[in-house]
Amino acid sequence: NAGVTQTPKFRVLKTGQSMTLLCAQDMNHEYMYWYRQDPGMGLRLIHYSVGEGTTAKGEVPDGYNVSRLKKQNFLLGLESAAPSQTSVYFCASSLTREASLALSYEQYFGPGTRLTVT
Amino acid sequence: GIQVEQSPPDLILQEGANSTLRCNFSDSVNNLQWFHQNPWGQLINLFYIPSGTKQNGRLSATTVATERYSLLYISSSQTTDSGVYFCVRTPGAGSYQLTFGKGTKLSVIP
Repeated sequence: NAGVTQTPKFRVLKTGQSMTLLCAQDMNHEYMYWYRQDPGMGLRLIHYSVGEGTTAKGEVPDGYNVSRLKKQNFLLGLESAAPSQTSVYFCASSLTREASLALSYEQYFGPGTRLTVT
Repeated sequence: GIQVEQSPPDLILQEGANSTLRCNFSDSVNNLQWFHQNPWGQLINLFYIPSGTKQNGRLSATTVATERYSLLYISSSQTTDSGVYFCVRTPGAGSYQLTFGKGTKLSVIP
């Protein structure tokens, strides 16, 4: 299993440009999340999805949009990038129903995308 | 909301030393994980440990849910153990928000 992968790993944008970050997981997880981490801080939830075709706002959703057209993919879009969106972005996934039918909420994180907006 | 407090905030160890990191939470927690964020920024799963004890090599963790704390033990520390260790309340049924502790910054010196 590749686990959770993110593309790209690094990106530099100019103010006003747009971009899409791609997250993919191969663990058949139901839930997927996008977080941002700023220096010296924990992660803050941007948006999340509890299943294919559904998305919801997290703690800091402004300036971002998401889509989950396929269960294994979760896209994060920035329509008009701002310097305040300079951050490291992490995707995560969780929730599997194990063979014993027990639910596991263990979270798995991708390697992160370092985004700089100038 | 639930608060997660970690101690100590900073720790410097000589290579080979042992250490114990502590996480206290303000209310009952159904799902708890320990992560290591290495100096390159990667978040590495250490343990998913809602309760009980788990061991993985030189690391082990214990969660006593009824007393609202979790401990992470690092034995025979190595320089590659350096980084920030986060205790995290992870979402369960009906909730989707992670609650991070502020982390313990560990520096292992040769």
